[in-house]
Amino acid sequence: EDQVTQSPEALRLQEGESSSLNCSYTVSGLRGLFWYRQDPGKGPEFLFTLYSAGEEKEKERLKATLTKKESFLHITAPKPEDSATYLCAVQFHYGGATNKLIFGTGTLLAVQP
Amino acid sequence: GAGVSQSPRYKVAKRGQDVALRCDPISGHVSLFWYQQALGQGPEFLTYFQNEAQLDKSGLPSDRFFAERPEGSVSTLKIQRTQQEDSAVYLCASSRGRTKETQYFGPGTRLLVL
Repeated sequence: EDQVTQSPEALRLQEGESSSLNCSYTVSGLRGLFWYRQDPGKGPEFLFTLYSAGEEKEKERLKATLTKKESFLHITAPKPEDSATYLCAVQFHYGGATNKLIFGTGTLLAVQP
Repeated sequence: GAGVSQSPRYKVAKRGQDVALRCDPISGHVSLFWYQQALGQGPEFLTYFQNEAQLDKSGLPSDRFFAERPEGSVSTLKIQRTQQEDSAVYLCASSRGRTKETQYFGPGTRLLVL
């Protein structure tokens, strides 16, 4: 069964303290891996898409990387406004007419000033 | 431009009532998805439309759940005879194309069944 696992479940950082979030997946044909940010009471906000191992994407203090079995979201010198739940989702080659995403349970990040 | 919009944002229903949740996707987006998100969990797939065709409904939890997109734009998710376990946030997403495209999410409808 295809699965997506995120770790840690929760992470508390001091402002400026860099760290990484992990997303590992078991897959029978990865089509794409997506990172989203979700603030309380809001829908997921798109951050990055990665399609192949070795690919990297950057945006401000965030950098996403992809290997054959996992992805990392690196947060450099975080600020309190980076506090949110970060969701990882994967899209597989299902062999049928669907483009659904399978999500992990997310990492709740709190950045303290 | 305008993003995905959903209405209502909040819905309280008595157990046994029928509810209808609306999604307005980004204009011109071919694909539309519904997800269910329980508290503290990631979204779970419910159903997928390509234009007006419902191509995947494998995630609908029971025959009480029904979705439609009759003109290939606005979609409605209907839940009949609501149960307490239906309480969740229902998210709608749309994407421009058919494969590998980024899905953009709406703000969700929070449903509470009493």
